[in-house]
Amino acid sequence: SQQGEEDPQALSIQEGENATMNCSYKTSINNLQWYRQNSGRGLVHLILIRSNEREKHSGRLRVTLDTSKKSSSLLITASRAADTASYFCATAGNTPLVFGKGTRLSVIA
Amino acid sequence: DAGVTQSPTHLIKTRGQQVTLRCSPKSGHDTVSWYQQALGQGPQFIFQYYEEEERQRGNFPDRFSGHQFPNYSSELNVNALLLGDSALYLCASSLGGFSSHEQFFGPGTRLTVL
Repeated sequence: SQQGEEDPQALSIQEGENATMNCSYKTSINNLQWYRQNSGRGLVHLILIRSNEREKHSGRLRVTLDTSKKSSSLLITASRAADTASYFCATAGNTPLVFGKGTRLSVIA
Repeated sequence: DAGVTQSPTHLIKTRGQQVTLRCSPKSGHDTVSWYQQALGQGPQFIFQYYEEEERQRGNFPDRFSGHQFPNYSSELNVNALLLGDSALYLCASSLGGFSSHEQFFGPGTRLTVL
């Protein structure tokens, strides 16, 4: 079963624009993580936000977490063609990581 | 610093056969988790190995089994393959048996069952 659900399923933007992806989940969590996957290969960890944190930054990435709404968002600023990939949120609680179905981001040069 | 490695990269099997996939964790890591990713889906947790024991298991049948060796490398075995087992199999490593920590993923093994 998949707890996290990303929205939108697919997103297409122009290079230089910002991309926002959302994730909703169902149960309580210890932390929430975002991963990137290029062309069906291995996943790369982007950022981890703990349940007592509300916002976290890493380079061009900004993640927010609202535990009352059980939702998170990933913002990629000034997108580049190299950001084209699938992005997954994964929730961590008392169980191993549970991934959503992902958002497929296409950045057009 | 060696990352997570998996072998083979691709594999084609027929229904009913058995397959073994291999994973070497990132240097310094002692915990290995296996995930199955069907096309267009997110990864689904199969099981986790720590200290050579299966510590946690997802909702997968007994046809899926594994092993962890003293050097922390791991194998995933799938018996009596079904068409639905076709997927990308991902190995991830971490430290200390914690399932909620950042996971380092390998490139995956693409299994096709005909």
